[in-house]
Amino acid sequence: DAGVIQSPRHEVTEMGQEVTLRCKPISGHDYLFWYRQTMMRGLELLIYFNNNVPIDDSGMPEDRFSAKMPNASFSTLKIQPSEPRDSAVYFCASTLTQSNTEAFFGQGTRLTVV
Amino acid sequence: QKEVEQNSGPLSVPEGAIASLNCTYSDRGSQSFFWYRQYSGKSPELIMFIYSNGDKEDGRFTAQLNKASQYVSLLIRDSQPSDSATYLCAVEGASYDKVIFGPGTSLSVIP
Repeated sequence: DAGVIQSPRHEVTEMGQEVTLRCKPISGHDYLFWYRQTMMRGLELLIYFNNNVPIDDSGMPEDRFSAKMPNASFSTLKIQPSEPRDSAVYFCASTLTQSNTEAFFGQGTRLTVV
Repeated sequence: QKEVEQNSGPLSVPEGAIASLNCTYSDRGSQSFFWYRQYSGKSPELIMFIYSNGDKEDGRFTAQLNKASQYVSLLIRDSQPSDSATYLCAVEGASYDKVIFGPGTSLSVIP
């Protein structure tokens, strides 16, 4: 397996534009997590899915953020409209169902909103 | 109180010394504990996990867990410059699903 795949790797957009980040988890992993990382706040959990169903979205900062997982091999994180304070590295990670399992991270998407 | 806390550092140690990284957590029901290493500009990667009280050793790395004190640590023996990175403590909740990360400790190993 190629691991968790995220796209794009870098995104620069203007304030007010819609941004869509994409993630393909490792095949067979039941859990998918979206994290945001900044220098100020560290690695924050935004939302996670179990078997494509959103379980906890309490970390989503505002209604401008939304996430979907239409099938087991694809998830999106959308920001509409984007703001400069959304600039961060967004990571997607996936894990197996069982406890004590390693979270495999994608390479991240570095988002810059100008 | 934050769910997972770490000293932000930076922590500097000379090459060959022991680096000690600490982490505390608030959820007493937490079951599993992880240490991730993150090099600058890269994604986190797992170093070790531990779920029983006591020590767990893997090469130069030793994880220590004390659930009564809600404390977990990572010791790196014979520190190398290649160990310079940010170390993230992560805690899996009582329901065995959500993993929360601490803010990370930046480690610098000086040659």
